[in-house]
Amino acid sequence: NAGVMQNPRHLVRRRGQEARLRCSPMKGHSHVYWYRQLPEEGLKFMVYLQKENIIDESGMPKERFSAEFPKEGPSILRIQQVVRGDSAAYFCASSPSGGAIKNIQYFGAGTRLSVL
Amino acid sequence: GQQVMQIPQYQHVQEGEDFTTYCNSSTTLSNIQWYKQRPGGHPVFLIQLVKSGEVKKQKRLTFQFGEAKKNSSLHITATQTTDVGTYFCAVTYGGATNKLIFGTGTLLAVQP
Repeated sequence: NAGVMQNPRHLVRRRGQEARLRCSPMKGHSHVYWYRQLPEEGLKFMVYLQKENIIDESGMPKERFSAEFPKEGPSILRIQQVVRGDSAAYFCASSPSGGAIKNIQYFGAGTRLSVL
Repeated sequence: GQQVMQIPQYQHVQEGEDFTTYCNSSTTLSNIQWYKQRPGGHPVFLIQLVKSGEVKKQKRLTFQFGEAKKNSSLHITATQTTDVGTYFCAVTYGGATNKLIFGTGTLLAVQP
């Protein structure tokens, strides 16, 4: 079974450009989460999605950031007009739905975003 | 807001010594999870604790959930160099969202 797949692994953008980060959940998982990890810091929740629905976006900055999880294809985290402060590792996680194991999240390898 | 404190922030041990990290919440938790992140890597799920007072073991790792479900600990017996990394606790508070609130993490360094 393939794990959570994220691409690209590394992304370099100049200030003002757009960054698009992709995440394919584990097979059979319908819940996707995005977390951000700033250098030397812990992981901060950004957004929680199920297919075609945003369930919780309480950790998402109000401007420039958006996320989607379409019916077909990977989840996308989009950052418009990137600034240097957006430089971080962005991790995607997925979990199965229902039951006691629904809270267990499996993480992808992350996308390291560097903004020049 | 929801906060999870984790101590210590950093621990340096000699190989073979024991190690413990503690996680504390000001509110009652529905469950707690532990993750390990190697330097430059991604969080890897270790275990989930759900029941009050629960104790689980994985080889040299022992996980405990407090009776009041407000704190937890991870203990490693006889550390090895492969144990190096940052250990995070992560909690959910129930409700409609499954979002994880991560502790601040404990970075473990093991000197051979």
